[in-house]
Amino acid sequence: EVQLVESGGGLVQPGGSLRLSCAASGFTFDLYTLHWFRRSPGRGLEWVSYITGSSTTIYYADSVKGRFTISRDNARNSLYLQMNSLRDEDMAVYYCTRDRATVVFDYWGQGTQVTVSS
Amino acid sequence: QSALTQPRSVSGSPGQSVTISCTGTSSDVGAYNYVSWYQQYPGKAPKLMTYDVTKRPSGVPDRFSGSRSGNTASLTISGLQAEDEADYYCCSYGGTVVVFGGGTKLTVL
Repeated sequence: EVQLVESGGGLVQPGGSLRLSCAASGFTFDLYTLHWFRRSPGRGLEWVSYITGSSTTIYYADSVKGRFTISRDNARNSLYLQMNSLRDEDMAVYYCTRDRATVVFDYWGQGTQVTVSS
Repeated sequence: QSALTQPRSVSGSPGQSVTISCTGTSSDVGAYNYVSWYQQYPGKAPKLMTYDVTKRPSGVPDRFSGSRSGNTASLTISGLQAEDEADYYCCSYGGTVVVFGGGTKLTVL
């Protein structure tokens, strides 16, 4: 059974940092491109970043470029999102997801809440 | 990276059909056969409903169908049921990025 489990969310002050993790199981991890998404009440679902199986290709949404860094450890079946210089508008539930093909996100984690507040 | 445009809300009565539109550009929706739709209930993870514009994953009822005309994709839900009440998001590949719509709240009257 495919499972994606996010962790690492929490309360952080504006300008602070957090590192999210996504532990995967039930599939051949290094064969899949993985994405981070987020959902906030005012902005709906928003794509954040993706990384290909061998980490050779990485892209970011303009809203997080230069502040967030996506990475993966195929030996540990884990995906990460390092978030720096956090802003109010980064407050959201963050999801990791597997891309079965091109924008075919067939499995999602349960999400981890990031709260940015002083 | 402009978001795709969806209506904020749509509604319909049980048994009726509703269509949710998703307007993009010739750089995303109109450029690639990579449009997918997701259903999301409050507090739950999104669920894939259609992909590659018109395909449907196994387990998704055939009441859900995707289509596209030019730069506008659509999700049609026929034979509306109470459990269809949820938020729906369209998604398109945009060359190097992924673009989402703002979401549409479907209310079953």
